[in-house]
Amino acid sequence: NAGVMQNPRHLVRRRGQEARLRCSPMKGHSHVYWYRQLPEEGLKFMVYLQKENIIDESGMPKERFSAEFPKEGPSILRIQQVVRGDSAAYFCATKTGAGVATNTGELFFGEGSRLTVL
Amino acid sequence: SQKIEQNSEALNIQEGKTATLTCNYTNYSPAYLQWYRQDPGRGPVFLLLIRENEKEKRKERLKVTFDTTLKQSLFHITASQPADSATYLCALEEGGYNKLIFGAGTRLAVHP
Repeated sequence: NAGVMQNPRHLVRRRGQEARLRCSPMKGHSHVYWYRQLPEEGLKFMVYLQKENIIDESGMPKERFSAEFPKEGPSILRIQQVVRGDSAAYFCATKTGAGVATNTGELFFGEGSRLTVL
Repeated sequence: SQKIEQNSEALNIQEGKTATLTCNYTNYSPAYLQWYRQDPGRGPVFLLLIRENEKEKRKERLKVTFDTTLKQSLFHITASQPADSATYLCALEEGGYNKLIFGAGTRLAVHP
């Protein structure tokens, strides 16, 4: 059973370009979370999505950032007009359906996408 | 909103000793609390979950306690090994739909 797959693992962009980060959940997982991690800092929640729905985007910057989880295909975190401050590791985590009685809430993380903005 | 505090200083211990890491939270007690391990350049990996009605949980050399009065969880690794060296993250549920927020983590270094 393949784990959470993120790509690209490393991405270099110049200021003003766009970055697209992809996350393919584990089989059977329909809930996706995106986190950002700056060097020597903890994981900061960005957005929580279910298939075709954004449930909570309270951690997303108001501008330039967007996320989607279409019916088919991976979840995508999109950063437009990147700036140096966007340089970070972006982690995707997935889980089975929330609210299930046996659901422990455990998240399964991908290995992250490391964005460097020059 | 909930704040999670973990000791930002690295914990250095000798192989074979017990490592104890602390996680404090500031507001309401969550339904459960989780611990993750993160190695450099890798994604976090789930270790243990403890619910609010559980005082203690064990898994092999790992032990977690949860004190809702003190608003604190302790994470213990007994008979520590150099392979246990990593950053350990504490996470709490927030928002009622299993949204997890994370502490900054504590780096553990186990020396031979």
